[in-house]
Amino acid sequence: GAVVSQHPSRVICKSGTSVKIECRSLDFQATTMFWYRQFPKKSLMLMATSNEGSKATYEQGVEKDKFLINHASLTLSTLTVTSAHPEDSSFYICSASKDWGPQHFGDGTRLSIL
Amino acid sequence: QKEVEQNSGPLSVPEGAIASLNCTYSDRGSQSFFWYRQYSGKSPELIMFIYSNGDKEDGRFTAQLNKASQYVSLLIRDSQPSDSATYLCAGLPGSQGNLIFGKGTKLSVKP
Repeated sequence: GAVVSQHPSRVICKSGTSVKIECRSLDFQATTMFWYRQFPKKSLMLMATSNEGSKATYEQGVEKDKFLINHASLTLSTLTVTSAHPEDSSFYICSASKDWGPQHFGDGTRLSIL
Repeated sequence: QKEVEQNSGPLSVPEGAIASLNCTYSDRGSQSFFWYRQYSGKSPELIMFIYSNGDKEDGRFTAQLNKASQYVSLLIRDSQPSDSATYLCAGLPGSQGNLIFGKGTKLSVKP
């Protein structure tokens, strides 16, 4: 149980492109979803927290207009990186939690902006 | 500021030995603690969580929590090379909120 699916697993695109990443909880209703970013050999950095039907809460220093988060249902959240640039290249990971229980992570999306 | 501290390692143990991973936390209000394993280039995978003082065992893994000392540990018995990964300790302040992650301890199990 507690499976979280993240798609796509890898994206390579040109600078200026917007990229959407989907995160789905497959076998449970995720009241809260989290979006993290991780640079090579560095620790996880929380970007934002989203509750179903509410606006996301962004961590300090994360641009909400750059990283658009939608949590339209209890099983789906999306992260859109708008007008991506090379410095946005990173490993993006979502996680999902029911009622603030353990967070279960998706497989991550490796984003490379050329 | 609420923090979770881990020794970054690397911690190197021979195959078959017990690996002991340690974590301390600063927030006395933290109720729950989680251990995640992260292989290189992959996302974290939940191994265990613990809410109560004492030990919790699951197969080769034992989580230990000492709230008085603000200390959490993970023991891996009969370590295997496949256990080689970075282990992340995380605490949940209060009964809800965002997990506070440590920076992880890299474990290397030598055949």
